[in-house]
Amino acid sequence: QQQVKQSPQSLIVQKGGISIINCAYENTAFDYFPWYQQFPGKGPALLIAIRPDVSEKKEGRFTISFNKSAKQFSLHIMDSQPGDSATYFCAASMGAGRRALTFGSGTRLQVQP
Amino acid sequence: GAGVSQSPSNKVTEKGKDVELRCDPISGHTALYWYRQSLGQGLEFLIYFQGNSAPDKSGLPSDRFSAERTGGSVSTLTIQRTQQEDSAVYLCASSLATSGEQFFGPGTRLTVL
Repeated sequence: QQQVKQSPQSLIVQKGGISIINCAYENTAFDYFPWYQQFPGKGPALLIAIRPDVSEKKEGRFTISFNKSAKQFSLHIMDSQPGDSATYFCAASMGAGRRALTFGSGTRLQVQP
Repeated sequence: GAGVSQSPSNKVTEKGKDVELRCDPISGHTALYWYRQSLGQGLEFLIYFQGNSAPDKSGLPSDRFSAERTGGSVSTLTIQRTQQEDSAVYLCASSLATSGEQFFGPGTRLTVL
């Protein structure tokens, strides 16, 4: 059972554009929702995370929007740059994050110059 | 400070052989996780250690997989009688018990011939 569904599978955006990646979850016990960025040959790196008591969190060009009633959350990358080209994973966990992460299937982002 | 380190970075083995993968977590991190990343299955949780508590082994795919954590620090993931479907990148992550933010190592790429 896939508990976190991520879309799209791949995304091509022009430099300066907005990249949007969406995730939906099923388990209402999830209470921690991070996004990870992964470059080829590297491990995933935490980008930004949100807890369900807020609807939006912004860090620089990266914003998470969270809709608890719809059980959906999304990552927005503003002013996308070629250096943002990577694979992005949403994830979720229970127990204030102190548990194993359940990952989405990943989105391969390509930002064209 | 140093991040999570894993060794070896690459491992090629023959079907039926046993392999050991090592993870050195960030100093002071009491929680340690093993994940597997493969093309067909994405990022999957394998096992979770938290302090002196019994590990959460719910993600281990078969009894050929085991892991231990000695002295609350270094962890070893052992795969016995390797199969071709075990080929994947094995990722280790660690976190402080209080924050839940998981920091990943670079992974070990396992190839079973």
